[in-house]
Amino acid sequence: NAGVMQNPRHLVRRRGQEARLRCSPMKGHSHVYWYRQLPEEGLKFMVYLQKENIIDESGMPKERFSAEFPKEGPSILRIQQVVRGDSAAYFCASSPRRGAGNEKLFFGSGTQLSVL
Amino acid sequence: QQQVKQSPQSLIVQKGGISIINCAYENTAFDYFPWYQQFPGKGPALLIAIRPDVSEKKEGRFTISFNKSAKQFSLHIMDSQPGDSATYFCAASSQGGSEKLVFGKGTKLTVNP
Repeated sequence: NAGVMQNPRHLVRRRGQEARLRCSPMKGHSHVYWYRQLPEEGLKFMVYLQKENIIDESGMPKERFSAEFPKEGPSILRIQQVVRGDSAAYFCASSPRRGAGNEKLFFGSGTQLSVL
Repeated sequence: QQQVKQSPQSLIVQKGGISIINCAYENTAFDYFPWYQQFPGKGPALLIAIRPDVSEKKEGRFTISFNKSAKQFSLHIMDSQPGDSATYFCAASSQGGSEKLVFGKGTKLTVNP
């Protein structure tokens, strides 16, 4: 039973380019959370999605960032026109359902985004 | 606004010693307090967690102590081992149907042989 899969592991972009980060949840999980970890910082919640629905996007920057979790395929975190301040590790976590409890929440290994 | 404050930022302990990491929270709506362990290049992994109806929870060498009135909780690692060297994050959430977590800034633990 594969865990939460994130790809790519490392992504390098130049300022102004677009970054697409992918997250495939654990088998049987239909809820996905995205977190961002800046250097020397804890993880900060960005967005919570269910298949085809955004449940909570209170942590998402208002501009340039978007997320989706289509009926088929992985969840995508998209960052348009990246800036150096977007350089961070982006983690995805999945759970089987809303209210399943944090014991059922599992994190992927993250995507390290570097903006040159 | 930092809702969960964690200290120390880094900690060096000798093998066999006790590692203690402290966290304080502000939001009284929090009702679930997990600790995560993160190795370099990996995502956080749930280590142990506590709910506010108990003051202590122990799993093997790991113990959480919880003080509801002080809004503080701590992780104790007994008989610390070099393999425990990692970054530890405390977190908190309100279990009102969402597993959204608020994390502390982390403690880098180094256990010397």
